Amino acid sequence: QSALTQPASVSGSPGQSITISCTGTSSDVGGYNYVSWYQQHPGKAPKLMIYEVSTRPPGVSNRFSGSKSGNTASLTISGLQAEDEADYYCSSYTSSSTLVVFGGGTKLTVL
Amino acid sequence: QVQLVQSGAEVKKPGASVKVSCKASGYTFTRYYIHWVRQAPGQGLEWMGIINPSGGSTSYAQKFQGRVTMTRDTSTSTVYMELSSLRSEDTAVYYCARSGGNSGSTLDYWGQGTLVTVSS
Repeated sequence: QSALTQPASVSGSPGQSITISCTGTSSDVGGYNYVSWYQQHPGKAPKLMIYEVSTRPPGVSNRFSGSKSGNTASLTISGLQAEDEADYYCSSYTSSSTLVVFGGGTKLTVL
Repeated sequence: QVQLVQSGAEVKKPGASVKVSCKASGYTFTRYYIHWVRQAPGQGLEWMGIINPSGGSTSYAQKFQGRVTMTRDTSTSTVYMELSSLRSEDTAVYYCARSGGNSGSTLDYWGQGTLVTVSS
């Protein structure tokens, strides 16, 4: 069982927007602005898409955005494209002895 | 450009140990911590621990305490992750990743992954 809770799957049509949620506790997501989101295509290493809740690394499309409210963080992808189909993982800094906790991952299907 | 290049796939028997390497380039090796994360087949990401390449200090997830050892060689800009007493449940892809951002919990660059298969 993962420390952070994500929906197992989401789907959307090209051009639409989708949102993936990531729920934790006050010891991780809710307590710090250190939530990251990673995209992983099959057989590939994860790629950082969002860090510190809402900051995009250089080169990441502005179609990807992040936010947080209380113990739940969200990743929104607007203008869905076929290449966005992948698994998405959230992570957070945690005050527990485990420095980093991950969500269980969400499979995004572009219909 | 930042690159983390990992060693090749390994096949080990239960009870054995495995040592995976991660060679960094394109940045100052001692300025950024390195995380290790694993992913079992069809499963999610699991954080294993972190090493400070500058002083060599480490912090391990409780689950792996006593079985994992992370080390570094500053002369070759390489970090190592050794996992002992392997069991079938340790079959996974093991990733190293550089620690970025302000908290140290952002993994901004990842290695390509190393598949470790534990089988008798």
